[in-house]
Amino acid sequence: AAGVIQSPRHLIKEKRETATLKCYPIPRHDTVYWYQQGPGQDPQFLISFYEKMQSDKGSIPDRFSAQQFSDYHSELNMSSLELGDSALYFCASSRLGGNTGELFFGEGSRLTVL
Amino acid sequence: AQKVTQAQTEISVVEKEDVTLDCVYETRDTTYYLFWYKQPPSGELVFLIRRNSFDEQNEISGRYSWNFQKSTSSFNFTITASQVVDSAVYFCALSEQTGANSKLTFGKGITLSVRP
Repeated sequence: AAGVIQSPRHLIKEKRETATLKCYPIPRHDTVYWYQQGPGQDPQFLISFYEKMQSDKGSIPDRFSAQQFSDYHSELNMSSLELGDSALYFCASSRLGGNTGELFFGEGSRLTVL
Repeated sequence: AQKVTQAQTEISVVEKEDVTLDCVYETRDTTYYLFWYKQPPSGELVFLIRRNSFDEQNEISGRYSWNFQKSTSSFNFTITASQVVDSAVYFCALSEQTGANSKLTFGKGITLSVRP
């Protein structure tokens, strides 16, 4: 069965550069979530989209932005990168706005900022 | 606000021992879901179980079992006859159903080391 696809899996950037992470949800899933997991930390919710509209916002820095496109894939854009942005970024998807309680995670994109 | 507490931070056991990972949660919602995820060193989040707030039946899956008790707001996870491959970080998580959103709140995670 198709899973949540994240790309790239690994990304190395310099400070002050920009990075874009992509997430392709499971087909027919209408909701996408982004999480950030710093080293030794638990995943922290950043932002979510339901039917291409932002549905909730967590601890996402102003330097980050995200959107969900007409094909339901989502992109997380991170600008003016800082060393502290080095983390594992997970995307998850669900259907019916998550009301089924089922949430599927991608394998994560590991961002390293040098 | 919802909160998940995993009071144990690191547990070390010898292979074949049983081990229980504790999880206590706080929520004001009557409808919610509880999850356990395993994160091996490779980093991916491996889904283990989802339980909704209306289903208090305990569950067993092979060497894994879960004990959900609403009265104490706990959702504990037991691994029987642990194996080296069980070494990982285990997260308990809570999802509240608030409209079109079911974001997860994770506990801090428990690092389990199983020694041969």
